[in-house]
Amino acid sequence: SQTIHQWPATLVQPVGSPLSLECTVEGTSNPNLYWYRQAAGRGLQLLFYSVGIGQISSEVPQNLSASRPQDRQFILSSKKLLLSDSGFYLCAWSVLTQDYEKLFFGSGTQLSVL
Amino acid sequence: DAKTTQPPSMDCAEGRAANLPCNHSTISGNEYVYWYRQIHSQGPQYIIHGLKNNETNEMASLIITEDRKSSTLILPHATLRDTAVYYCIVMPGNTPLVFGKGTRLSVIA
Repeated sequence: SQTIHQWPATLVQPVGSPLSLECTVEGTSNPNLYWYRQAAGRGLQLLFYSVGIGQISSEVPQNLSASRPQDRQFILSSKKLLLSDSGFYLCAWSVLTQDYEKLFFGSGTQLSVL
Repeated sequence: DAKTTQPPSMDCAEGRAANLPCNHSTISGNEYVYWYRQIHSQGPQYIIHGLKNNETNEMASLIITEDRKSSTLILPHATLRDTAVYYCIVMPGNTPLVFGKGTRLSVIA
């Protein structure tokens, strides 16, 4: 069966510090991978998605970046965190079956930038 | 730029059916209707999706009107564990999903 691992579960970082969140998927090949963010009291915002190694699409220009160094690994990074980067970060994967998408989400990382 | 309209909140008595409406009057022929839910502090969970026909699975039923301009998610026997935010999403296939604000369903004992 497929599983998705996302860590850490919680993170407190000072403003201006770097960030690296990692997500890995097991039990499937060539998944589509996604990073979403949910600010306090708001909906989910799509940040990045990837359909293959090295292929990254950015939905919202900001000081975050994403990389996919391996087929089942997706990394979210920042060189210098801002207060506005605080939120609940979720990684998700999907495999296109037929022509619809079914997303499976990780357990999320609660990031607090102070 | 939301494609769907959902009530911000609803209450449902435990054991009763929860009927969550969604309006998507501008839906295109190639767009699916997806439903996800998010329990507090967890990632969203897929519930069901449909294109034209009504659908049923072990979690819920999806009723899509004939003109496809609205749909209803039905949880046949709501339990306290069904308390969550429910998202109705309309997107073409092969397109990353965009989540709106959803409906906060509170199941009351």
